[in-house]
Parts: sequence; structure tokens; C-alpha cells
Amino acid sequence: EPEVTQTPSHQVTQMGQEVILRCVPISNHLYFYWYRQILGQKVEFLVSFYNNEISEKSEIFDDQFSVERPDGSNFTLKIRSTKLEDSAMYFCASSLSTGLNEKLFFGSGTQLSVL
Amino acid sequence: GQQVMQIPQYQHVQEGEDFTTYCNSSTTLSNIQWYKQRPGGHPVFLIQLVKSGEVKKQKRLTFQFGEAKKNSSLHITATQTTDVGTYFCAGRGNTPLVFGKGTRLSVIA
Repeated sequence: EPEVTQTPSHQVTQMGQEVILRCVPISNHLYFYWYRQILGQKVEFLVSFYNNEISEKSEIFDDQFSVERPDGSNFTLKIRSTKLEDSAMYFCASSLSTGLNEKLFFGSGTQLSVL
Repeated sequence: GQQVMQIPQYQHVQEGEDFTTYCNSSTTLSNIQWYKQRPGGHPVFLIQLVKSGEVKKQKRLTFQFGEAKKNSSLHITATQTTDVGTYFCAGRGNTPLVFGKGTRLSVIA
């Protein structure tokens, strides 16, 4: 089965540094998402992306966050100046459609540790 | 904003016992989805429910969507050790897909 791939699997950074998390969604999917999960807690929505623009974003997704689809395959999440509370597992997901046949495929995640 | 609440937070069962997790939304949902996350893994889609009162089965798993489209449940019959993991419901109203906090299932052999 096709899968969403994420790199790196682990990222350690110093507070205030910029990080870029990378994702390759499933090739024919049209909708892309970033979620995050603090250890043992729920999966929190960050942003959704469709047709080369953000379609929805949460309160967590403030000016420090940005997303980009720089080419036909990659989907990135940038955090400009990381904070300690940004430490979490970041999941990328993609889906072919929304609504009645929505089905999100998640990547294996990037564990971000901000020191 | 829309909230999705899920209970219980944890459930420990003996292998062979049944298990149920419940999900409630603060608003009416257009659809609800269920995901399973194995320890150390990522959420994996199980099913989507769309219609009021809908019931779907996948082998030992039974999913229900309430008549008012504000609640849902997942029932596992005769649990097995392979059922271990966290089960999340995720609801969509006029919002992005919002996940519940999940129910972590432990199965004791």
C-alpha cells in the first residue's frame, strides 16, 4: 500500500532555532495536513493544505509556523523560532478527498525535541 | 470551537473480554472517523461513518454513529492481544478533523 513518508524521524534542536520537517504525501493525493501529538496526548490539528494554499489552520499554527509545497512531491512544515513547548511528534497526513470518502493516511512522524 | 470527548481514557481487559470506547462531540458532525495507533506508531484509518444511526462492522469491530450525529462508539468483541493500542475518534463538523484524546486499550493474555 502507498505510504506517506516523513524525514527526519527525529530532530533535536536548540530553542530559537528554525526547523523544517519534510513529508512526501501519497502521489495522487490532493489534501495535505500537519498534526502534532505531545507524548501520550491527543492528536492536534495544525494546518490543512489544498491547491497550493492553506485551507484551514488552528490556533496553534501561529506566525512561527509555515507550510510549503516546493515541488510536486514534498510538503514541508517550518517552525521559524522553536520553543520548548513545540516539542512533540509531528505527523504529516494526506488524503485523496474530503467529505464522504475522507481517509487520512499518516506518516510515521518526526519526533521534535527542543532543548 | 468544536470539541470531541472520548471515554474511557484507559481500559485494561483480559483477552477474550469485550471492549467499548465512546465518543461525544459538542456539535453535530458531518462524519466521524476512527483511527488506531499502536504503541510507538502513527494513526491508521479504520473507518468513516457518515449517516445518522449508521452501524458498520469489521470482523470483531462494530462502529456506531448516533442518531443525532453527535456521538459514536467502537465495540470490540473478544479482544485479542493484537488489539492493543490507542483508539481515536475524529469528528468533522464545519471544522477540520478534530481528534478525541483516545482510549488506550491494554489486553492481558
